[in-house]
Order: sequence, then C-alpha cells, then structure tokens
Amino acid sequence: AQKITQTQPGMFVQEKEAVTLDCTYDTSDPSYGLFWYKQPSSGEMIFLIYQGSYDQQNATEGRYSLNFQKARKSANLVISASQLGDSAMYFCAMREVSSARQLTFGSGTQLTVLP
Amino acid sequence: EADIYQTPRYLVIGTGKKITLECSQTMGHDKMYWYQQDPGMELHLIHYSYGVNSTEKGDLSSESTVSRIRTEHFPLTLESARPSHTSQYLCASSVTSGPSGANVLTFGAGSRLTVL
Repeated sequence: AQKITQTQPGMFVQEKEAVTLDCTYDTSDPSYGLFWYKQPSSGEMIFLIYQGSYDQQNATEGRYSLNFQKARKSANLVISASQLGDSAMYFCAMREVSSARQLTFGSGTQLTVLP
Repeated sequence: EADIYQTPRYLVIGTGKKITLECSQTMGHDKMYWYQQDPGMELHLIHYSYGVNSTEKGDLSSESTVSRIRTEHFPLTLESARPSHTSQYLCASSVTSGPSGANVLTFGAGSRLTVL
C-alpha cells in the first residue's frame, strides 16, 4: 500500500498567488515526521519544511507552511506569493520512527509558476 | 553551498562496464543513503549505512553494492552496467538527532547514469 500519496501530478499557479500541494500519508506508527522537498530541473533535492507528528502547531518556513491535519492524515504544503523560481518538482516524504529505514517519498507534484 | 558531493554528475557508459559513483560529505554525519530516481518519478531507497562498516539494502532491489570504510565516504558500485541501470542516483546524509522524526536528509546534486 502507498504510504505517501500525492494526487496532483502537475499544478499551475500565477506568479504572486498562493498554491497548495496535496499530500496524504498512511501509517500506524504514532511517532513520525513529514517532510517536503523541492527538486528543480537541475536534479538536487532541497529540504523545505518539516512537521513532527506530536507538533501542536503547523510548521512554517518563510513562504512555506505545512497544513497538518492529523485526523485526516494530510500534510499539504502551502506556498504563498509564488515566484518563477518556485517552478520545480515537489515531493512529500515521511519517516516512521519505528522503522529502521529512512524517508518514503511520494510520486511528486510538478509545479509551474506562470508570469 | 553543498556539503555533500557526488561525482560524476553525468556518465554515459557502455553495457558491461564497471562503474563507481562517488559520494562524500564533510558534515560528519553518521548516516548515509543512496536513492534511485527515474525521471519525474519518486525516489526509492536502494542502500543505507548507519556508520562505518555498516551497510543495508533498501526497499528497492538493486544490483549495485556499497561500502562504508570511512565516515565521510559512501561509494556505490555496479560491477557490470546494463541499460536497465539508467537512472539518477542521489546520495544523502543525516545525523541522528532528537526523539522524533526530525532527521533531515541533505542530498547531493545527483549522478545521472546512462548505459547504452
């Protein structure tokens, strides 16, 4: 079964507008972490934001915020005031503390920011 | 500025050749990983290491092998490359920290391998 699901293969947003990238996850581990990474066309993976399962508040990092809805098992990424440089592939990932393995990634969402 | 380095960035090679993808990090991280990623697809863990002389296979079966003789170095080797090995290989490292999942991976720029 898919542990991380990203249902939007591609998204478009107008420059300066906000956009939400969806991510749902599946785990029975009460302790886990959720991550978002950005991958530009150059190929490197850039860490954006982290949310722990016990964190009471939604994580924020500059223009990035994570809309964490634990009961719904969703961890959507919100990018405010989109910029052309935000055009990239975005991956949601999860790490279960009980697992000896590392991050499990979703299939990604290709975001294109339009001028 | 990247603290984890992968070489080569791009490699085109013929079938049957032996290749080694290099990965080095200067952060003193104890954990290192190799992920494989086909274009536009998700990343799959193929190898990981929790320290010197410790290596484990990941979720995706791979014919590659790894070694961890030094903390900073985690090379990946394919003894006989095949076209099915064509992919991007991403190296990452992290340090054990905190009680929960805040174990952020730092990635290298990747090695794009094409086997003809």
